[in-house]
Amino acid sequence: DAKTTQPTSMDCAEGRAANLPCNHSTISGNEYVYWYRQIHSQGPQYIIHGLKNNETNEMASLIITEDRKSSTLILPHATLRDTAVYYCIVRPRESNTGKLIFGQGTTLQVKP
Amino acid sequence: DTGVSQNPRHKITKRGQNVTFRCDPISEHNRLYWYRQTLGQGPEFLTYFQNEAQLEKSRLLSDRFSAERPKGSFSTLEIQRTEQGDSAMYLCASSPIPLSAGIEQYFGPGTRLTVT
Repeated sequence: DAKTTQPTSMDCAEGRAANLPCNHSTISGNEYVYWYRQIHSQGPQYIIHGLKNNETNEMASLIITEDRKSSTLILPHATLRDTAVYYCIVRPRESNTGKLIFGQGTTLQVKP
Repeated sequence: DTGVSQNPRHKITKRGQNVTFRCDPISEHNRLYWYRQTLGQGPEFLTYFQNEAQLEKSRLLSDRFSAERPKGSFSTLEIQRTEQGDSAMYLCASSPIPLSAGIEQYFGPGTRLTVT
């Protein structure tokens, strides 16, 4: 079972920041937070991951609370192409299998 | 970088028929995963290979399902005696060993199966 809770859907205006929350209150010390997204009719795409420090890459920023029980994915300037389902996943960094356990994710609709 | 490819992209079959899907991972990736995704749900893990060895199978993978990766390169997923409940998107993903620092799994575009 997925160990994360995300809102079912969110809207964002084009050009504004999209802030997608995720609760992972049962996260353990060796588990990382990963974010993937899935654009309609495509396979999921890796976005970013982190352990406890905030992370930023060319796609997004990840803010993890100090107690690590929740996190927020930030798309700083959302575009229409960012419309997708966003999945928050927790798993050990050194997972034997590497398999991903997806929840239902958050459907982000970016509007003009 | 050609990415992960899957064929066919779409398959329509009648109940009771057998179907086979193919996945070609990124060439240097040792691990290959199969997932299934039904409408409105996130992908669900089915099985994975490390090189040619199938190391884990989900209980979702009934005995009508079989996956192979005979030479540690491409993989096939066969479903025998298809049922309407098998209608779904079948996703393949690959990753290198050890897992690199940033990139986890690369997914293909999926094969959408419709069982009528």
